[in-house]
Amino acid sequence: GAVVSQHPSRVICKSGTSVKIECRSLDFQATTMFWYRQFPKQSLMLMATSNEGSKATYEQGVEKDKFLINHASLTLSTLTVTSAHPEDSSFYICSARDRGGIYEQYFGPGTRLTVT
Amino acid sequence: RKEVEQDPGPFNVPEGATVAFNCTYSNSASQSFFWYRQDCRKEPKLLMSVYSSGNEDGRFTAQLNRASQYISLLIRDSKLSDSATYLCVVNIVKGVSGTYKYIFGTGTRLKVLA
Repeated sequence: GAVVSQHPSRVICKSGTSVKIECRSLDFQATTMFWYRQFPKQSLMLMATSNEGSKATYEQGVEKDKFLINHASLTLSTLTVTSAHPEDSSFYICSARDRGGIYEQYFGPGTRLTVT
Repeated sequence: RKEVEQDPGPFNVPEGATVAFNCTYSNSASQSFFWYRQDCRKEPKLLMSVYSSGNEDGRFTAQLNRASQYISLLIRDSKLSDSATYLCVVNIVKGVSGTYKYIFGTGTRLKVLA
């Protein structure tokens, strides 16, 4: 149980284009999903917390107009990187908290974004 | 000062060795604690939660010292497959709404050598 999927697993895009990443909880309902970014040899940094049916809460320093988050259902959250630049190249990982769970988060396999 | 600090390593140990990692956290409002394992270019996977009384899962033992604000992970009889980065994670609950978030340490890299 507690499986989270992400799509795509890898994407290469040109500078200035937008990329959408999907995060799905496959066998449980997730009222809360989290989006993280991880640069090489660094730890995961929380970008935003996504609650189903409401606006996402962004961490300090994360531009909400650049990283658009939509949590339309209890099993799906999307992150859209708008007008991507090479410095946005990173490993983006989502996680989800089981609706009936306490604090444990289950992570998706991540999406490796390369902006050329 | 980082909210969660870990020695980045690497810790290079022979198979069968016992190795211990420590982690310190600065936010006294931290409520729950975890160790995650992350393999290269993969997502973190929950290794174990850490309870105040200490807990053990097979070869892995986790301890929490709230007074000193540190968490430890002990791995006994290391296997080659234990080679990975071990992430210390602290869960902070904020405000009356109960919103919470994970704070990750930078991880400690372990290499178990044959």
